[in-house]
Amino acid sequence: QSALTQPASISGSPGQSITISCTGTNSDVGGYNYVSWYQQPPGKAPDLLVYDVNKRPSGVSNRFSGSKSGNTASLTISGLQAEDEAHYYCASYTGSSTLVFGGGTELTVL
Amino acid sequence: EGQLVESGGGLVQPGGSLKLSCAASGFSFSGSAMHWVRQASGKGLEWVGRIRSKANNHATEYTASVKGRFTIFRDDSNNTAYLQMNSLKTEDTAVYYCASRSLYYMDVWGKGTAVTVSS
Repeated sequence: QSALTQPASISGSPGQSITISCTGTNSDVGGYNYVSWYQQPPGKAPDLLVYDVNKRPSGVSNRFSGSKSGNTASLTISGLQAEDEAHYYCASYTGSSTLVFGGGTELTVL
Repeated sequence: EGQLVESGGGLVQPGGSLKLSCAASGFSFSGSAMHWVRQASGKGLEWVGRIRSKANNHATEYTASVKGRFTIFRDDSNNTAYLQMNSLKTEDTAVYYCASRSLYYMDVWGKGTAVTVSS
């Protein structure tokens, strides 16, 4: 199972919106509505931001939103804040009943 | 809401074995799936495997690179999950996280335990 494809890095200014893409195949992202997104600050464990493509756990800001079209899922962060600087990972359930992560995207807030 | 604490990491020689533990508290451990995820230094997250709840027959799934070498098992009476790692390779060097609770995503994470495979 190959890793899902994410851009290695992305940047934005405070207050702007950015979108991180996550591209897979019809055997993972495109085949199931089980895409999740995680935020990992430097030196810390990941935290769940979005699950089941577009659902947010309680306590996660509504500035984070998820969507999917075909084999590509997306995470949009609106109203960028300095505290959003982190690595972001997507993950998807696969047809082999496993999970697969994306390669990760480093977000820089300028 | 929920806590996971990993232990058992350390230095091991190539070809050796190591068993990691993951102690859970604050949520329904027996009804939850338990995952192991690893991260090599400076690299991304890699899903290692998962053990399902008793209701799902404690079924296990693994990523291809560890299948046949790693085994996940659990003790629901002690709210603990384990990762038994055999025939370790240098490329298994990573921080290993346990995470829970859904089959499809992970909303509770431990802080990780470091495993170094080196001679």
